[in-house]
Amino acid sequence: GDSVTQMEGPVTLSEEACLTINCTYTATGYPSLFWYVQYPGEGLQLLLKATKADDKGSNKGFEATYRKETTSFHLEKGSVQVSDSAVYFCALSDLRGAQKLVFGQGTRLTINP
Amino acid sequence: EAGVAQSPRYKIIEKRQSVAFWCNPISGHATLYWYQQILGQGPKLLIQFQNNGVVDDSQLPKDRFSAERLKGVDSTLKIQPAKLEDSAVYLCASSLGGTGVFNEQFFGPGTRLTVL
Repeated sequence: GDSVTQMEGPVTLSEEACLTINCTYTATGYPSLFWYVQYPGEGLQLLLKATKADDKGSNKGFEATYRKETTSFHLEKGSVQVSDSAVYFCALSDLRGAQKLVFGQGTRLTINP
Repeated sequence: EAGVAQSPRYKIIEKRQSVAFWCNPISGHATLYWYQQILGQGPKLLIQFQNNGVVDDSQLPKDRFSAERLKGVDSTLKIQPAKLEDSAVYLCASSLGGTGVFNEQFFGPGTRLTVL
């Protein structure tokens, strides 16, 4: 079945550092790809999405590019802030079907001032 | 606009007891999802409703878990009897529904279940 693999965490960085969280996927068909974020004490929120190969999703300074050739959707940010501390989940969904989300295991990010 | 509501937020029970969770989706959302999130893992879909019909319950442990969505609005998820491995956060999500176009899922705050 479909699956998503994220880089091992947790990740700890200093403020203004560059961030990359790796995500690779296995899927039949043509999935859409997502990054969700869970801030402390809050529910899961959609951060960004890409629905086809070579699409770039972006939001709040974060970016991720749908790479079909490497089956990857790595999350990047050039300069992180303390407020970016959260758990980040990579996920996929087939828009042609029931659109259930298949999630990776999550990566906890902590940004120190 | 009100978000997805869930209750209770926390529940502690003994193994073999029963428990029920409630979810109220965003008004007008036809599709409702229940996910189970075990500590250190990503959420896993348990069951998906389209209005009051079940779309996917392939990963629902039907010997102990049940769910219903009366009148296509609120939903309840029940575990009877609970096992230690059911300790998790149970997330409810809703979306407008439909296929072929992206429908964002909006998540509730979750119910954290601890089975002792």
